[in-house]
Amino acid sequence: DAMVIQNPRYQVTQFGKPVTLSCSQTLNHNVMYWYQQKSSQAPKLLFHYYDKDFNNEADTPDNFQSRRPNTSFCFLDIRSPGLGDAAMYLCATSRDLAGGLEQFFGPGTRLTVL
Amino acid sequence: DQQVKQNSPSLSVQEGRISILNCDYTNSMFDYFLWYKKYPAEGPTFLISISSIKDKNEDGRFTVFLNKSAKHLSLHIVPSQPGDSAVYFCAASVSGNTGKLIFGQGTTLQVKP
Repeated sequence: DAMVIQNPRYQVTQFGKPVTLSCSQTLNHNVMYWYQQKSSQAPKLLFHYYDKDFNNEADTPDNFQSRRPNTSFCFLDIRSPGLGDAAMYLCATSRDLAGGLEQFFGPGTRLTVL
Repeated sequence: DQQVKQNSPSLSVQEGRISILNCDYTNSMFDYFLWYKKYPAEGPTFLISISSIKDKNEDGRFTVFLNKSAKHLSLHIVPSQPGDSAVYFCAASVSGNTGKLIFGQGTTLQVKP
């Protein structure tokens, strides 16, 4: 089955210790997104890749970086996690950039910062 | 500034009855609206969408209604089933844009047997 896979499902890190979250897809979609969802809040877009083109949301903290080495994989790097970065991180893909196109989500990685 | 709002955090409905989930938006540029369903420990899955050129879209037990003048949309589930118990997210986007989805906070639906 074509899908979006996120690893790990649960990640615990220490305050200030860099952490990397991983996303892979078998859908061969051009676009990959990273969302942050804090408890009982709406998922919030951090950035997206259209192929190799990176697009950062204006309010995404500099602490958050992303890499997309190939079509299938995308990584979220948090350089110095703070307590406020504890959240669910959702990876999503879509076939193309267009309003209304369905996005396919992975199961998420829940990040805990101690 | 929350552009998409789901004002009801939770909804409880009896099996077989209608579930109505509501969503309001403020940005008149939105022209696509989507509903996602999320089970615990899973990512959101697409349920149904509607373009702003329509006022209704139906898919089996699920119907989405759009009232552009009121900037309001609703998802109707008829009849509701226990397996429909999940968190429902409303999302909106602008065509010709980045495909960026603006989500509401979600409504937790519980369907009681």
